[in-house]
Amino acid sequence: KAGVTQTPRYLIKTRGQQVTLSCSPISGHRSVSWYQQTPGQGLQFLFEYFSETQRNKGNFPGRFSGRQFSNSRSEMNVSTLELGDSALYLCASSLVGTGTGELFFGEGSRLTVL
Amino acid sequence: QQQVKQSPQSLIVQKGGISIINCAYENTAFDYFPWYQQFPGKGPALLIAIRPDVSEKKEGRFTISFNKSAKQFSLHIMDSQPGDSATYFCAARVLYGNKLVFGAGTILRVKS
Repeated sequence: KAGVTQTPRYLIKTRGQQVTLSCSPISGHRSVSWYQQTPGQGLQFLFEYFSETQRNKGNFPGRFSGRQFSNSRSEMNVSTLELGDSALYLCASSLVGTGTGELFFGEGSRLTVL
Repeated sequence: QQQVKQSPQSLIVQKGGISIINCAYENTAFDYFPWYQQFPGKGPALLIAIRPDVSEKKEGRFTISFNKSAKQFSLHIMDSQPGDSATYFCAARVLYGNKLVFGAGTILRVKS
């Protein structure tokens, strides 16, 4: 069974640009969450989608947005990139929307902002 | 505020020894406590998890101990091996969703 797939794995952007990251969850999983990982702030929750609806949102500015499609695939977008947005962006999927469903992470998309 | 505090920041253990990582949380609105293992260049991989109505869970060499009244939980790695060298994160899941609050991480090095 394929795991969580994130694309692209690596990308370099310059300040002011925007970026779109993609996540394909494990087949059958309907919940997708996004996290930002940096050496200074650790792993921080961005948002969660379940059945195409955003259920939770972390404390990030409005430049960070996401969506989920009917096939559960998800994208996140960061507009007007800043140097501080350089990070590993991780997607996690879960079989169920709540309860004890395990969260499985992808390998991440490493974004570098110059 | 929902926080999870993790210690130590780094840990060096001899091969065959016991590795112990501790976490404490400050909010009771959590319903699930997983531990993740992360190798360089990889995403976090679920290691073991526990619910707050259970005091201990063991899977192979990995054991979680959970103290609900003290709001503390810990990971014990028995017979630690060099292949266990990685960063370990504790986490707590917020009620009614899949939002995880992570600890800061512990870099474990097992010396052979």
